[in-house]
Amino acid sequence: GQNIDQPTEMTATEGAIVQINCTYQTSGFNGLFWYQQHAGEAPTFLSYNVLDGLEEKGRFSSFLSRSKGYSYLLLKELQMKDSASYLCAVLYNFNKFYFGSGTKLNVKP
Amino acid sequence: KAGVTQTPRYLIKTRGQQVTLSCSPISGHRSVSWYQQTPGQGLQFLFEYFSETQRNKGNFPGRFSGRQFSNSRSEMNVSTLELGDSALYLCASSLEASGGSGELFFGEGSRLTVL
Repeated sequence: GQNIDQPTEMTATEGAIVQINCTYQTSGFNGLFWYQQHAGEAPTFLSYNVLDGLEEKGRFSSFLSRSKGYSYLLLKELQMKDSASYLCAVLYNFNKFYFGSGTKLNVKP
Repeated sequence: KAGVTQTPRYLIKTRGQQVTLSCSPISGHRSVSWYQQTPGQGLQFLFEYFSETQRNKGNFPGRFSGRQFSNSRSEMNVSTLELGDSALYLCASSLEASGGSGELFFGEGSRLTVL
């Protein structure tokens, strides 16, 4: 539900920058979260955006445009350990979280 | 502080059987939600419990049910298992209900295989 769309898979090189996009339906929007999930592990929280703009946290930044229904997660200075799935999740109507299918990021040496 | 604990971690069942999964949230967290994760569908919301009451339910058939106890521990049950129920079932806890907009803390999941 709510059509949370993100690319299925991306590949980038160690040390580079990668941007993972997420689009969503805007009606009922209350906040957007990014989670990281390594294979076989639990998702872990990365970032939260509720207002427009960029939130920076170390090598990771997340951007939100509420009017466009668009967010991106920016990963700088990629490391091999950043190889994981990145999940975009949207809270609607202070009620339910909807997750995208996740973007599998492969970091190459 | 102990994290979210899910048991069992792995289990194998046959079609028609039923299964009960358990989740112990982080101490002090009152909200527990359940998700089904499959390769093609991503995380699909099952239900959320807060203070022993089901607060929300996703679009799953009635074979999927859950409950929450006074100590905030939660169980989910799937009856009459089907092959398509094979998935990773993730439990997430948070301090407040989803209306609090706080982050979710996930357990490592229970991987169910239905043969």
